[in-house]
Amino acid sequence: DARVTQTPRHKVTEMGQEVTMRCQPILGHNTVFWYRQTMMQGLELLAYFRNRAPLDDSGMPKDRFSAEMPDATLATLKIQPSEPRDSAVYFCASGFFSFLAGGNTIYFGEGSWLTVV
Amino acid sequence: AQTVTQSQPEMSVQEAETVTLSCTYDTSENNYYLFWYKQPPSRQMILVIRQEAYKQQNATENRFSVNFQKAAKSFSLKISDSQLGDTAMYFCAFMKPPIQGAQKLVFGQGTRLTINP
Repeated sequence: DARVTQTPRHKVTEMGQEVTMRCQPILGHNTVFWYRQTMMQGLELLAYFRNRAPLDDSGMPKDRFSAEMPDATLATLKIQPSEPRDSAVYFCASGFFSFLAGGNTIYFGEGSWLTVV
Repeated sequence: AQTVTQSQPEMSVQEAETVTLSCTYDTSENNYYLFWYKQPPSRQMILVIRQEAYKQQNATENRFSVNFQKAAKSFSLKISDSQLGDTAMYFCAFMKPPIQGAQKLVFGQGTRLTINP
């Protein structure tokens, strides 16, 4: 049963600490997304990658957030330094898309619950 | 930019009843995809149903069906014979077709659905 895997599932950290969230997309998927969910803002797209290259990270605060794909099986989202307002659920999602083959479904991981105190 | 609006923040029905969740969207695109995702208390984002705008036939998945009105830019979700396990937050989402750099889901604010025994 293919699934998007995220770690950690829950993280409590102190303000100022570095937080790294990891994601393993579904094997064969070429597009990876990072979404953040908060009560106030709902679901926001932070960044996404196609074939490991960043396509859009305009939703991400650049001063403290960074997203990378070291290889096709791993995506990371890092916050340094973390702040209380970063407390949220962070979702990784993946899909396969190509201009010729199409593709139209995005599958989500279970989310990483981050609390910054 | 595309926007998705869910005008019902909360809904509540009795078990076995039929319930319809509303969604409207704004786009200048002619071809696109629409989705309903379910988010139970566990926070997992689960794909419920998918509709391709170029298909006139409404999508159906078991007890879930949609009423897609392209001219009105309306995409409602009908849940028949509702079950306690249907209790969740439901998100309507929009996605442009697969051209380079376009595949990102735009979400509505969500509708919290409660099924009462």
